[in-house]
Amino acid sequence: DVKVTQSSRYLVKRTGEKVFLECVQDMDHENMFWYRQDPGLGLRLIYFSYDVKMKEKGDIPEGYSVSREKKERFSLILESASTNQTSMYLCASSPPTKLTDTQYFGPGTRLTVL
Amino acid sequence: SQKIEQNSEALNIQEGKTATLTCNYTNYSPAYLQWYRQDPGRGPVFLLLIRENEKEKRKERLKVTFDTTLKQSLFHITASQPADSATYLCAVGAGGGNKLTFGTGTQLKVEL
Repeated sequence: DVKVTQSSRYLVKRTGEKVFLECVQDMDHENMFWYRQDPGLGLRLIYFSYDVKMKEKGDIPEGYSVSREKKERFSLILESASTNQTSMYLCASSPPTKLTDTQYFGPGTRLTVL
Repeated sequence: SQKIEQNSEALNIQEGKTATLTCNYTNYSPAYLQWYRQDPGRGPVFLLLIRENEKEKRKERLKVTFDTTLKQSLFHITASQPADSATYLCAVGAGGGNKLTFGTGTQLKVEL
């Protein structure tokens, strides 16, 4: 079974702090994604990566950056956390098939910025 | 603009009945459409995929239809059970390693 793990289930940070959210997948997937999920807004794509050291902006990249130094690990960075970044953050990975793009999600990190 | 719409109101049904959830999309030409299940506090889990050239797909008690003319997918759960209570998300993709775009989801509650 594909396993996607995220470093924390719950995180509380203060405004202005630098925040790192880590995601690791164990299935050698090339594609990895970071979403945030808010009530009424659904899943919104922040950044994605098709390969090591590659990244592309999603729909809402402002205030975030990412790092992919190894194939299995995709990190989301909040350079200076703000209260409007309080949200559920979900990481996903998908295999390199060209037909389905089925995504496998981690359990999520609920981040609260005070 | 591109939109994926799912009924934001929760759907409450009785155990044993068929639940039908709707996903409408505009300004997309998806190669496929996917359905995911999400339980509270957890990440979505993939259920079914249907391609643009398929009308219907089944998996156990689940059935998905895809009408590219109406730009709509219907997701059915037959003989529903309380354990089917969850939020169901649809997602469209263009294929070829592209990203998915998700709807906001519909919450289903199956009552005894």
